[in-house]
Amino acid sequence: AQSVTQPDIHITVSEGASLELRCNYSYGATPYLFWYVQSPGQGLQLLLKYFSGDTLVQGIKGFEAEFKRSQSSFNLRKPSVHWSDAAEYFCAVGIKAAGNKLTFGGGTRVLVKP
Amino acid sequence: DTEVTQTPKHLVMGMTNKKSLKCEQHMGHRAMYWYKQKAKKPPELMFVYSYEKLSINESVPSRFSPECPNSSLLNLHLHALQPEDSALYLCASTLDRGAKEKLFFGSGTQLSVL
Repeated sequence: AQSVTQPDIHITVSEGASLELRCNYSYGATPYLFWYVQSPGQGLQLLLKYFSGDTLVQGIKGFEAEFKRSQSSFNLRKPSVHWSDAAEYFCAVGIKAAGNKLTFGGGTRVLVKP
Repeated sequence: DTEVTQTPKHLVMGMTNKKSLKCEQHMGHRAMYWYKQKAKKPPELMFVYSYEKLSINESVPSRFSPECPNSSLLNLHLHALQPEDSALYLCASTLDRGAKEKLFFGSGTQLSVL
């Protein structure tokens, strides 16, 4: 079965500093890859997605992610973090062969210091 | 309109009560989902409706009963719940069923079972 691992449970970053969130997946082929963000007490919002093609994808709110097939990774980055980026971030994979279901990673909580 | 609206936002119920959660979208999406999210955990899929028919039930206990009256509405009927059912219940929709689809989430219903 496919799995998604986000190794970092918590990350604290200073406002204005760069941010990188790690995501590794386990599956024989390239799945469809997503990053979602969840602010406290809210639903999830899609930041970006990767299906094929250019391995560097741009998303909303200034985020980007890079797909690395050799490392089975899809890491999320932002060059300069704002206080409003404090939230929970979920990496997810969708696999057609698995009934089109989306599997979420455990999440990474990002805290932003002033 | 790109919103998924969930009501109520908060619900407290006893173990003998019957209540319903409601979800509505007017984006013309043909797939709708119920997720359960415990604190500090990723969402867990409960049910999927596709074209108003139940297509996935993730072995959810019968005390949770979904209903899709039409393509815009999704209900979750609750009866004889247990305290461990306390969680954030999220509704989501996609244009169609598919592993590439972007999920649009509501803000959720925070349920407490006493």
